[in-house]
Amino acid sequence: GAVVSQHPSWVICKSGTSVKIECRSLDFQATTMFWYRQFPKQSLMLMATSNEGSKATYEQGVEKDKFLINHASLTLSTLTVTSAHPEDSSFYICSALPGVGVFDQPQHFGDGTRLSIL
Amino acid sequence: GNSVTQMEGPVTLSEEAFLTINCTYTATGYPSLFWYVQYPGEGLQLLLKATKADDKGSNKGFEATYRKETTSFHLEKGSVQVSDSAVYFCALTSPNTGNQFYFGTGTSLTVIP
Repeated sequence: GAVVSQHPSWVICKSGTSVKIECRSLDFQATTMFWYRQFPKQSLMLMATSNEGSKATYEQGVEKDKFLINHASLTLSTLTVTSAHPEDSSFYICSALPGVGVFDQPQHFGDGTRLSIL
Repeated sequence: GNSVTQMEGPVTLSEEAFLTINCTYTATGYPSLFWYVQYPGEGLQLLLKATKADDKGSNKGFEATYRKETTSFHLEKGSVQVSDSAVYFCALTSPNTGNQFYFGTGTSLTVIP
């Protein structure tokens, strides 16, 4: 159980294109989802916390207008990288937290999306 | 504040060697502690967890004990296999973090035959 599906797994596109990444919790409801960015051989950098039905909370230094997050249902959150440029190339990982108000539950991660901007 | 300090890698071991990856934490309140594993090109998978002091999390031969007195959660395995080669992340969350997780920097493990 507790499967998180992330799609696409790899995308290559031209500079200036907008790219949407989907994160779905397949067998549980996720009130909260997280979006991370990971650079090669580095740890995860939290970009934003996505709460169903409300605006996402972005970490300091993350551009809200650049990285649009929508969490329209309890099983789906999307990250759209708008007008992507080569410096946005990275590995993006989502995670989902089952339940509400239970702090000791593990986050369940998607397999990540490798974004390459030419 | 909350933070996780993890042993730097990379770590290279021979098959069947003993593994220890150190993790210490700083937290307000009473955190829950986790170890995640990331295989190349994949997302993170939960390896084990412990939610209170003296708890021992275990899975697939890996173990870690929540030590409040030393604020540590070291990962151990008695006999590593080539298939254990991956990056390991220590993480914590606590009631006052709003469900946010704090990750260590990750430790890369390579097991050679």
